[in-house]
Amino acid sequence: GESVGLHLPTLSVQEGDNSIINCAYSNSASDYFIWYKQESGKGPQFIIDIRSNMDKRQGQRVTVLLNKTVKHLSLQIAATQPGDSAVYFCADRQAGGTSYGKLTFGQGTILTVHP
Amino acid sequence: EAGVAQSPRYKIIEKRQSVAFWCNPISGHATLYWYQQILGQGPKLLIQFQNNGVVDDSQLPKDRFSAERLKGVDSTLKIQPAKLEDSAVYLCASSPRTSGRSRETQYFGPGTRLLVL
Repeated sequence: GESVGLHLPTLSVQEGDNSIINCAYSNSASDYFIWYKQESGKGPQFIIDIRSNMDKRQGQRVTVLLNKTVKHLSLQIAATQPGDSAVYFCADRQAGGTSYGKLTFGQGTILTVHP
Repeated sequence: EAGVAQSPRYKIIEKRQSVAFWCNPISGHATLYWYQQILGQGPKLLIQFQNNGVVDDSQLPKDRFSAERLKGVDSTLKIQPAKLEDSAVYLCASSPRTSGRSRETQYFGPGTRLLVL
């Protein structure tokens, strides 16, 4: 079935560097995309979202870019800090149909930030 | 604002035993979700409730899994009998509602870690 996947399973960066986490999705009917951060032993925590009628959205130190042409989503973290170390998941929401509102999560990328 | 509460946080059982998980969503949230997260994977939706009605249970193994949300608030997820492959983290999430064009952020609880031996 349709799924959301990630290109890179792990990413290691130095503190202060910028991080880019990528995600490919396959469901052209998806209308909403979310990035979650999951620290060890905790549930996923919302970071930032973007609707399909946008191509860029910025938050505090984070930016999400959406390229619908190639079905690609990325999360950019500026000035990465050790506290950013976690697993990052992208998820998409299918618009319409019987699975309305259902999120499909990707595999996840492990981000490790070295001091 | 209190977050999504789940209990227990950890559970160890033997295969073929039964287990139940409890979730209390954020106050006022109409939509409640149960996810299964196997180690190294993203969460997979098991069942979605809108108030006390089931919206989507297409990925729920109904021969052994059941869930209910009787009064549209708390929810329980049960596994009976458990199998080794049920070892996972069971996450509960809630959102205010599910509607046409809204951005509905799902807020997750800490999860229940289940180990089936």
